[in-house]
Parts: sequence; structure tokens; C-alpha cells
Amino acid sequence: SQQGEEDPQALSIQEGENATMNCSYKTSINNLQWYRQNSGRGLVHLILIRSNEREKHSGRLRVTLDTSKKSSSLLITASRAADTASYFCSHAGNNRKLIWGLGTSLAVNP
Amino acid sequence: SQTIHQWPATLVQPVGSPLSLECTVEGTSNPNLYWYRQAAGRGLQLLFYSVGIGQISSEVPQNLSASRPQDRQFILSSKKLLLSDSGFYLCAWSVGRAADYGYTFGSGTRLTVV
Repeated sequence: SQQGEEDPQALSIQEGENATMNCSYKTSINNLQWYRQNSGRGLVHLILIRSNEREKHSGRLRVTLDTSKKSSSLLITASRAADTASYFCSHAGNNRKLIWGLGTSLAVNP
Repeated sequence: SQTIHQWPATLVQPVGSPLSLECTVEGTSNPNLYWYRQAAGRGLQLLFYSVGIGQISSEVPQNLSASRPQDRQFILSSKKLLLSDSGFYLCAWSVGRAADYGYTFGSGTRLTVV
């Protein structure tokens, strides 16, 4: 069963704006991963943040992790039309099996 | 560099027909291999994973089976497709546990059973 939740389910912004999406989980984790999926394509691994890390950056992406609140956020700065995609978080619990959320669908309008 | 190939990209099959989806990985040895299914609005469901040749673990009992005849080849099969087998099938590989390092996914196969 799905134990991760992304929020919001859908997000529509203008090019150049920042996009923030959130992920919540229910169990303790070893790490949390964010993926992007363009329509009809496979998922692309974006960032892995470990449970002892609070923030991680990769280009225009910034991921934060708050283990006390069991939540993570993905921030995309200065968004582009090419950022239009679905974004998924996935976390691994103590049994090392990945649990997936249902994703946030991001539309960046030119 | 490592690449993963998955084919075909789309497939329309009648109910009761057999299925064979193939996935190959290049540029790495002894990868962990995975088959996922993604149904609309339901996220990703792990179907099978393999840590070595001939070693298959099934996560969900169903109408499908998987085989790993070679180190970098993973095949998803069915003897008789059901309507409920329709979905987007994704092959993936990882170095070690995906939970520790993340997946690299193939481009997916859209299967429609009619």
C-alpha cells in the first residue's frame, strides 16, 4: 500500500516562478528520494537525501527533509516549461523497500 | 556510461494472448533489476526484482512472471493476458539496494490489453 503522499496533487505556475511540492511519510526512514517523470516516459532520479541530512541542492533543485515532521519538500527555482512533469517522492524504511507516493503533477506555463 | 533499454514502447494485445517484455542494461555488471507497473492514479507497484541470474523475487501474486536469463537481461512474461494487466511497465536497475542508491529507469512500455 502507498504510505507516501505528495502535496499538492497538481500545481500550475508561470515560467520563472518557483515551484514547491511536499512529501509526507509515516514510518522512520533511512533516506528519501525524489524523481521526475515526463509524460509517457520513465522516471528520472533527481536527489537522494539521507535521514541525517536536512538540505540538499542540485542545480535549480533544493530538497529539504524534516524527520521530526516526517516530511520533505522539493523546490524548483526559476521554473521552465521543460520542468513540466510529475514529481514523485520515495522513501525506504527499515526493511529497505521503497514506498512511493502518487506524485505531484507540475505544469509550467510559458 | 550505463544505459537501460526497454522495448517495445507501446503494445496492444488481445485478452488471452502471451506477453514478453524485455529489458537490458549496458555498462554495469551484476545490477539489481526491477519490474514496476504504474497504473493511472495509483503510483508505482513493484512486481519483481532480481539480485542475480535466475534469482527472482515476486512482490505481488498475479498473472505475470519474470526471468533473468543473463546478468543484464530481465524479461517480464505472461502466458495469458487479462484486461487488468493493462498499464505502464517500467524496468529499472540499481547498484546495490535501490533503497540506498536509487533507481535508473527505462523509458517504459505502455501495454493495452483489449
